[in-house]
Amino acid sequence: QKEVEQDPGPLSVPEGAIVSLNCTYSNSAFQYFMWYRQYSRKGPELLMYTYSSGNKEDGRFTAQVDKSSKYISLFIRDSQPSDSATYLCAMRGGSARQLTFGSGTQLTVLP
Amino acid sequence: ETGVTQSPTHLIKTRGQQVTLRCSSQSGHNTVSWYQQALGQGPQFIFQYYREEENGRGNFPPRFSGLQFPNYSSELNVNALELDDSALYLCASSIVSLMYNEQFFGPGTRLTVL
Repeated sequence: QKEVEQDPGPLSVPEGAIVSLNCTYSNSAFQYFMWYRQYSRKGPELLMYTYSSGNKEDGRFTAQVDKSSKYISLFIRDSQPSDSATYLCAMRGGSARQLTFGSGTQLTVLP
Repeated sequence: ETGVTQSPTHLIKTRGQQVTLRCSSQSGHNTVSWYQQALGQGPQFIFQYYREEENGRGNFPPRFSGLQFPNYSSELNVNALELDDSALYLCASSIVSLMYNEQFFGPGTRLTVL
């Protein structure tokens, strides 16, 4: 079993829809939770990170962490065609060096 | 402030050959991490370098090795290439801190092993 499981997709939604992307994890040591966006043929870019359980909002993006359920989500409101990309969840333990990634969800927002 | 750069962009090698990939860290960053991203998968941690020493390693064999130079640039070397080594290789730089160290990724080098 992988430490981080991510809904595989692909996901296709109409412009303006609310998108929900989800990951579950098994390692209780994970303390930092991140969402990266990766466009085709590019490296991942950080969208949001959270440290504690709860919600964190940044513009159209909301990251949600539920440590008791070992479940994280990213919500995208008013989705735009420019949001079409692969979204990767990533996690890190307190003293760990590396990020542990999910396998990614490919999102397409149709105009 | 310049971002993370990697070279070359693409590379084609044959099985058994050796390859060297290069990374230039973001200005001011002292730590570099390397990841392997197979098609349709998330990046997998190979190793991290801090102060020119390996500072953590993932589940990769010794034929994957690296270097970090005094200017914080880095190399990833892979010996005895196998077909499964075909992937996007990502370099990420960061500044080690107590609370959180955001890793900034380069565009990657796409390696194809034939």
